[in-house]
Amino acid sequence: EVQLVESGGGLVQPGGSLKLSCATSGFTFIHYVMTWVRQPPGKGLEWVATINSAGDFMDYAASMKGRFTISRDNAKNTVHLQMDSLRDADTALYFCARGQPQFAQFESWGQGTLVTVSS
Amino acid sequence: DIQMTQSPSSLSASVGDRVSITCRASEEISSYVNWYQQGPGKAPRLLIYAATTLQGGVPSRFSGSGSGTEFTLTINSLQPEDFATYYCQQGYSNIITFGQGTRLDIK
Repeated sequence: EVQLVESGGGLVQPGGSLKLSCATSGFTFIHYVMTWVRQPPGKGLEWVATINSAGDFMDYAASMKGRFTISRDNAKNTVHLQMDSLRDADTALYFCARGQPQFAQFESWGQGTLVTVSS
Repeated sequence: DIQMTQSPSSLSASVGDRVSITCRASEEISSYVNWYQQGPGKAPRLLIYAATTLQGGVPSRFSGSGSGTEFTLTINSLQPEDFATYYCQQGYSNIITFGQGTRLDIK
């Protein structure tokens, strides 16, 4: 069974940092693109970042580029999201998802980890 | 960035109805559209990819159509579990974008 389990969320002050992790199992991790998508409370889905299977190519949404860093550990089947210079607007439920490169479809999702940025 | 505009933002329907949701892209994106369903408090679920291809395990009452800039998700014979929020997403650009969502409520 494919499983993605996010962790690392919590309450952080504006300007602070947080590192999210997504532990995966049930599939050959190195074969897949991995993505983070977020959802502010009561709002829609927003793509955050994607990393290719080898971990040497990353894309970011404009508002997160330079502040967030996506990485993966193919030996531990885990993807990370380092978030720096956090803002109130970064408050959201953060999902990791397994993707396919052909049409960038996200075929399996975790349940999310909540990040709250507040003083 | 490519903008994805869904319509309507919300709609009400009854069990057994047929409904359609439209997604319009701000530029040509061939068939690089995917559709997701999200129930309350749940993670999104992939329904359709490449505009028309049904993801494995998704009931055949769901279908997708369109190419270029206009895309449609159709649900035939609505079931109680279909009342949820639906999102389109484009994968044409490296900068991925979602539509704003369509909330489907029971009438």
